[in-house]
Amino acid sequence: KNEVEQSPQNLTAQEGEFITINCSYSVGISALHWLQQHPGGGIVSLFMLSSGKKKHGRLIATINIQEKHSSLHITASHPRDSAVYICAVRGGETSGSRLTFGEGTQLTVNP
Amino acid sequence: DTEVTQTPKHLVMGMTNKKSLKCEQHMGHRAMYWYKQKAKKPPELMFVYSYEKLSINESVPSRFSPECPNSSLLNLHLHALQPEDSALYLCASSQVPGARETQYFGPGTRLLVL
Repeated sequence: KNEVEQSPQNLTAQEGEFITINCSYSVGISALHWLQQHPGGGIVSLFMLSSGKKKHGRLIATINIQEKHSSLHITASHPRDSAVYICAVRGGETSGSRLTFGEGTQLTVNP
Repeated sequence: DTEVTQTPKHLVMGMTNKKSLKCEQHMGHRAMYWYKQKAKKPPELMFVYSYEKLSINESVPSRFSPECPNSSLLNLHLHALQPEDSALYLCASSQVPGARETQYFGPGTRLLVL
């Protein structure tokens, strides 16, 4: 079992739909990151969370530390949101700078 | 300037070649990272430099040799690579090394080893 599991692996939506991507982890963490990777490779850091909820534009990220679970929501999805979304966690201070990555969720938003 | 730049964007090399990948950031970050990413897989950490010193080497083969000449620059020297080393190589930086720091990623260098 991977330390970080994402679901779904693939997600296809119609423009305008509300999207949820889930991330569960099995280790104690100090921070959880949501990353976006477009075709061609570049990775953008969307959020870093250690508790609660963050919002940026149409993106919302939540984390429940007790349940070891985080969700990334996209409201009013758009074809330009099509990308791979990666959840990554960082353990405590003794884990250094290592991020443990999930396998990613491939999102396709059709017009 | 919140950008991490990487050159070249693409690189094709033979197994006997020597080449270098370059990564640069001017955000004053003191931690820099090399990752390797195969198709449809998440990035795998290779090296971490902390205050220009190598702090993490994830058992990477010696045909990959990192170098941090100064706090803004990170190189990855490649020699005698194998075809299975073909991948996207990503550089990242963070303000300091540590659990709660956001990593800023570069666009990557797509490497093909023939």
